[in-house]
Amino acid sequence: AQKVTQAQTEISVVEKEDVTLDCVYETRDTTYYLFWYKQPPSGELVFLIRRNSFDEQNEISGRYSWNFQKSTSSFNFTITASQVVDSAVYFCALSDETGRRALTFGSGTRLQVQP
Amino acid sequence: ETGVTQSPTHLIKTRGQQVTLRCSSQSGHNTVSWYQQALGQGPQFIFQYYREEENGRGNFPPRFSGLQFPNYSSELNVNALELDDSALYLCASSSRFGGRGDTQYFGPGTRLTVL
Repeated sequence: AQKVTQAQTEISVVEKEDVTLDCVYETRDTTYYLFWYKQPPSGELVFLIRRNSFDEQNEISGRYSWNFQKSTSSFNFTITASQVVDSAVYFCALSDETGRRALTFGSGTRLQVQP
Repeated sequence: ETGVTQSPTHLIKTRGQQVTLRCSSQSGHNTVSWYQQALGQGPQFIFQYYREEENGRGNFPPRFSGLQFPNYSSELNVNALELDDSALYLCASSSRFGGRGDTQYFGPGTRLTVL
């Protein structure tokens, strides 16, 4: 069975601070995909990144960066110089190897960025 | 490019009633997945439709059923509503075997309240 753990329930930072959201996953599949989604108060899940299991290169997109470490089954997400607009719930998700690619989500981390 | 749309936005029903939620997939996408998100939790996979057939189901009872139409839009039906069915229902579309693969893009959700 697949499992995603986001141990940080809620994080509060002051604007311009850097913040890292942790994600640990469990799977028996050798091929899998990891995702991060952002859920603002409006409720819609916004896709941020997809990473496959055989590509361990870290990725940077503007103020966002992701660190994938297969050895520790972690896929952490860092926001540099946080802004108030980053306030949201962030979900890490894992998809299975079958054709349907059903997503298994973590319980989410609520990020509050104070001005 | 039109994103994923869902209707209605909000819905209030009483226990025992039946409800139908609707989803229009993003243009170019042929697969629709449905998720249930209870308050404070991550989304849970209900089922997925591909080529108008159910293509995998999560741990949900048969009173949760669905349809996919030739234009790839989809419906989620829930019979004999229970109080625990109160949740945000999210629809996601994706393109199986497409260029970007299986990234799921989510709609804004339908908030269902069962009294």
